[in-house]
Amino acid sequence: KQEVTQIPAALSVPEGENLVLNCSFTDSAIYNLQWFRQDPGKGLTSLLLIQSSQREQTSGRLNASLDKSSGRSTLYIAASQPGDSATYLCAVGNNNDMRFGAGTRLTVKP
Amino acid sequence: NAGVMQNPRHLVRRRGQEARLRCSPMKGHSHVYWYRQLPEEGLKFMVYLQKENIIDESGMPKERFSAEFPKEGPSILRIQQVVRGDSAAYFCASSKDGGAEAFFGQGTRLTVV
Repeated sequence: KQEVTQIPAALSVPEGENLVLNCSFTDSAIYNLQWFRQDPGKGLTSLLLIQSSQREQTSGRLNASLDKSSGRSTLYIAASQPGDSATYLCAVGNNNDMRFGAGTRLTVKP
Repeated sequence: NAGVMQNPRHLVRRRGQEARLRCSPMKGHSHVYWYRQLPEEGLKFMVYLQKENIIDESGMPKERFSAEFPKEGPSILRIQQVVRGDSAAYFCASSKDGGAEAFFGQGTRLTVV
């Protein structure tokens, strides 16, 4: 059974810092890995999708990497802004479903 | 393409009543997933459906909960005889196939009073 862990659970940084969020999973037989953002009381927004054959994906200030063999993914956020404050979730997809980590709650202070 | 639509957005039910949550997937998507998010907790997988079939319901409580995705119409998550512990946000996602990118609805927030 796939287990997904996200570290740290919470992170507070000053505006402008670069930061890394971590996601680890126990079963490397995955189809894809997806990073989402969730704002308080809102739904989930897909940020980046990495297929199992890919190593990384980039969108603007976001870069996500995938190392299937070690069961890890990182989400790198460059030059963080207060508007980046949210909970970031990683989800590991196989052919049946997606399993989520518990998320990292990010606060970017002005 | 309107995206994944969930309704209602907010639902209040008294203990013992039934709750029906609807999810219309994106156009062209035949895979639907339901997740539950309890207050201050992460998203938990409940059930995965394709049209007219339940593929994986390993995350769904055995009693009082059921899900369907008929040939026509939205997917329905049904909770019978709701209890206070059912209060949560219920999210639905859809994808073209099992390995494709998933898109989420805005969720239904169920409050049991």
